[in-house]
Amino acid sequence: DTAVSQTPKYLVTQMGNDKSIKCEQNLGHDTMYWYKQDSKKFLKIMFSYNNKELIINETVPNRFSPKSPDKAHLNLHINSLELGDSAVYFCASSQAPSGGNEQFFGPGTRLTVL
Amino acid sequence: AQSVTQPDIHITVSEGASLELRCNYSYGATPYLFWYVQSPGQGLQLLLKYLSGDTLVQGIKGFEAEFKRSQSSFNLRKPSVHWSDAAEYFCAVGGGFKTIFGAGTRLFVKA
Repeated sequence: DTAVSQTPKYLVTQMGNDKSIKCEQNLGHDTMYWYKQDSKKFLKIMFSYNNKELIINETVPNRFSPKSPDKAHLNLHINSLELGDSAVYFCASSQAPSGGNEQFFGPGTRLTVL
Repeated sequence: AQSVTQPDIHITVSEGASLELRCNYSYGATPYLFWYVQSPGQGLQLLLKYLSGDTLVQGIKGFEAEFKRSQSSFNLRKPSVHWSDAAEYFCAVGGGFKTIFGAGTRLFVKA
């Protein structure tokens, strides 16, 4: 029974397109995150939501828009895709937003922009 | 500012040998410290964490880590490495609402 799931697992698209990645967690957690992992494996926080409210936005271009319809879901919509958006995107969740809480990660979505 | 440094980009050890992965952090207060492991094509999984108390913490899969405040370090150790331990290892420091991850150390295990 998957704790944090993401769809799709792979996404290949052309520059300029708009795409969405969906994330769902069944752990009953209040806090969800989006991370971007580049080709050198560097993992960088993009957004954090707590109880459907945005609490962290790490200077991400406004082409990226997260949406949290409920506590269990945090989707990521990307407009006007650019080559530099190619990366693996991870969704994660934790019980609370405190930095002392373990985060549970989804399997990742590998986005390739051609 | 918070930061995490993992000095080794990759390490190769022989199966059965001991392992130590280094992690240094910069944080203004007592940090929360974590080690996560990422197998190829997978998300990250928590190995262990330090929040407070005993500075030697035990984790899953036979891993342990020691918090040394004087050295700002939180090194990960395992006495005997198995081939299945080959993966990417991330040290992280948490505080406030954010967790900052190091750049990772790739572990190769040779037979």
